[in-house]
Amino acid sequence: DTEVTQTPKHLVMGMTNKKSLKCEQHMGHRAMYWYKQKAKKPPELMFVYSYEKLSINESVPSRFSPECPNSSLLNLHLHALQPEDSALYLCASSQGNTPLHFGNGTRLTVT
Amino acid sequence: GNSVTQMEGPVTLSEEAFLTINCTYTATGYPSLFWYVQYPGEGLQLLLKATKADDKGSNKGFEATYRKETTSFHLEKGSVQVSDSAVYFCALKDDYKLSFGAGTTVTVRA
Repeated sequence: DTEVTQTPKHLVMGMTNKKSLKCEQHMGHRAMYWYKQKAKKPPELMFVYSYEKLSINESVPSRFSPECPNSSLLNLHLHALQPEDSALYLCASSQGNTPLHFGNGTRLTVT
Repeated sequence: GNSVTQMEGPVTLSEEAFLTINCTYTATGYPSLFWYVQYPGEGLQLLLKATKADDKGSNKGFEATYRKETTSFHLEKGSVQVSDSAVYFCALKDDYKLSFGAGTTVTVRA
């Protein structure tokens, strides 16, 4: 069982759709992350939230919009995506020097 | 900046064989080091960690030692099983940022 829960597990969307990915953790971690992983590649950092404030944006295109409504939740809003945005999107959390705990990801396909 | 280099594989082994995956790093400061494992269709799971020089992380028969003098964190397992087939990532954490190696695909055959 993973302590970081991501929904949905799979998502297919068209290039004109708007959708959101959701992530939840109840470990009391105050840092939350979004990563993008293409097949057979390591995860690439997209965003980091620390104490509900955006602290790192790795030059991600504006069609990806993160949101951290509270210390347990992290969303990623998607709009006008391209087929090359198809990937596994991973959420993670950590506290201080603890390792990152990852969810099982949302497999996104953009058609 | 920080970076991690690991042997990319793929690596194919028979059951009960010895596994080594090499990992070296470049970092300023004193990062924590990790091995993560990713099974097919899943997210990343922490396999083991080491937070300072000479620390040995171990879990499920896997071991890795944080070697500052050689800037290495090689993963080893003495006798692999089919269930160890997965992608293994070496990673370095400095403050909030986790830097990954390229990943090594390991296939264990019965």
